[in-house]
Amino acid sequence: ILNVEQSPQSLHVQEGDSTNFTCSFPSSNFYALHWYRWETAKSPEALFVMTLNGDEKKKGRISATLNTKEGYSYLYIKGSQPEDSATYLCARNTGNQFYFGTGTSLTVIP
Amino acid sequence: KAGVTQTPRYLIKTRGQQVTLSCSPISGHRSVSWYQQTPGQGLQFLFEYFSETQRNKGNFPGRFSGRQFSNSRSEMNVSTLELGDSALYLCASSVDTEAFFGQGTRLTVV
Repeated sequence: ILNVEQSPQSLHVQEGDSTNFTCSFPSSNFYALHWYRWETAKSPEALFVMTLNGDEKKKGRISATLNTKEGYSYLYIKGSQPEDSATYLCARNTGNQFYFGTGTSLTVIP
Repeated sequence: KAGVTQTPRYLIKTRGQQVTLSCSPISGHRSVSWYQQTPGQGLQFLFEYFSETQRNKGNFPGRFSGRQFSNSRSEMNVSTLELGDSALYLCASSVDTEAFFGQGTRLTVV
């Protein structure tokens, strides 16, 4: 079973606040962990692909860390802006088959 | 480079009918996967095609089927539609470990 779980399910933060959410996954047979940003009426957009334990990736105000031994990844957003409002999905893949979590819905209040 | 294109974007069908959705992957991508998202659920994997062959299949009834053509375009068919089939259907084309999504087809069964 390759269940991917994300928490919290939804989050409301004030503009300027920093926030983070969690993705947990089975640590066995790990291949890669993906984070996507999904805005309403648009395609999910790839943020990060992470493969190595201890990996840390950053794109602007967004960063992610990976712990493959304990099976979790954190996504951090520093100084949240209204345009960060979206659903953030994580997924692990085995080959071309991706297993997605249910996502964290982030709303940034101006 | 064109992205993943899904048609139609919206569709309304009646229970018992059948429906065919289309996905054109990014040029050069040979793998196409299909996902279903219903309210409160994550993206559920339907199936994956690679070079016209179904390589992986999720846990969906036989009413859900697909195929892939020699130009890598893929179609998904759902027969004998049920109300519970109302969902957003996303396709993704992938290369190596990166998946790129279309905007989805919103199917409503009435």
